[in-house]
Amino acid sequence: GAVVSQHPSRVICKSGTSVKIECRSLDFQATTMFWYRQFPKKSLMLMATSNEGSKATYEQGVEKDKFLINHASLTLSTLTVTSAHPEDSSFYICSAPARDRGETQYFGPGTRLLVL
Amino acid sequence: GQNIDQPTEMTATEGAIVQINCTYQTSGFNGLFWYQQHAGEAPTFLSYNVLDGLEEKGRFSSFLSRSKGYSYLLLKELQMKDSASYLCAVRLLTGGGNKLTFGTGTQLKVEL
Repeated sequence: GAVVSQHPSRVICKSGTSVKIECRSLDFQATTMFWYRQFPKKSLMLMATSNEGSKATYEQGVEKDKFLINHASLTLSTLTVTSAHPEDSSFYICSAPARDRGETQYFGPGTRLLVL
Repeated sequence: GQNIDQPTEMTATEGAIVQINCTYQTSGFNGLFWYQQHAGEAPTFLSYNVLDGLEEKGRFSSFLSRSKGYSYLLLKELQMKDSASYLCAVRLLTGGGNKLTFGTGTQLKVEL
């Protein structure tokens, strides 16, 4: 399958700091990427759609000023959790659809964020 | 709204066959995916159905009936490593791209 990387895999930060998570498609280009968060033993909840060269589209209830998304190139999208608080602690996963593979979405390995 | 239902948990025996069902009520259906997710890891792609019928891939098969809003994932010759969460996801055709809406996931436990 297609390869999507995510960095960092794990981060611990103090409350009030900002954390940036990178998502890269390694062997294909992605004009669109998706950001999800997942709480323990729960399913994936779509947060936003990242669009290369334009603004991200946020799902209802997701604060766009809290979760900043930048899709700077066809292989890179970043999610910045601004002024993180303990309730932001979660597993964040990105995905990218591979156009040459029927638009199947391939997921990054995820980033586990713990805010103290 | 979108609604995707799966059983929460299932238990099966090593070497047996298990069927995980998924029913959905969505608008703008554009395909159904099954993913496997082990604890603490990202989902991995298993199968994709957009037309009615059965898709077979090794020990895994997936079936779709669009008229019934129903799919199932069939796992044969179960192995201990198949213990994981299985996620059913419907792709919705939206103006800006193809979003996936996930079901709640089915936690499968394979026992000896």
